[in-house]
Amino acid sequence: DVKVTQSSRYLVKRTGEKVFLECVQDMDHENMFWYRQDPGLGLRLIYFSYDVKMKEKGDIPEGYSVSREKKERFSLILESASTNQTSMYLCASSQPSNYEQYFGPGTRLTVT
Amino acid sequence: AQRVTQPEKLLSVFKGAPVELKCNYSYSGSPELFWYVQYSRQRLQLLLRHISRESIKGFTADLNKGETSFHLKKPFAQEEDSAMYYCALRDSSYKLIFGSGTRLLVRP
Repeated sequence: DVKVTQSSRYLVKRTGEKVFLECVQDMDHENMFWYRQDPGLGLRLIYFSYDVKMKEKGDIPEGYSVSREKKERFSLILESASTNQTSMYLCASSQPSNYEQYFGPGTRLTVT
Repeated sequence: AQRVTQPEKLLSVFKGAPVELKCNYSYSGSPELFWYVQYSRQRLQLLLRHISRESIKGFTADLNKGETSFHLKKPFAQEEDSAMYYCALRDSSYKLIFGSGTRLLVRP
């Protein structure tokens, strides 16, 4: 059974803190993605990675960075959290030749 | 520009009524379209893709290139169909472009 896990389901951080969101997949997938999910806006791609140490900006990369040191792990970093980064964050993975993305359960981040 | 539009934020129907969730897209090439679904307290998952032309849980979706639409339909809604539905377009790489989503509420 395919599995994508995220380090936290709920997270509360203060403005200005550095925040790490971790995502791990056990399917040996090449591609990994970070989205944020907001009501009325759907899913918006923040960053994605198609290989270890490779990354590309998505549609809304400002205020975020990522790290992929191992194939199974893709980290999203908020360098200095702000209240407008309060959101649900979803991680996903896929194979390059496969259309289907497999999603994690999400991390609901609140920045106060 | 590549775009997916879901005009309805909320669609409320009674059990047994037909359902149509609208999706329109803008894409210059040959599109690959999908519907993803998120049930309450569950993770987002693929429901169906246009290439397979299959029916999943009674849902079907036909790609209409002339109208640039990929509407999701079900003849008789069930309460367990209540969920958030996202239409998505795969671009020339492996990225998905999602619509804003439609919440389907099926009332008893």
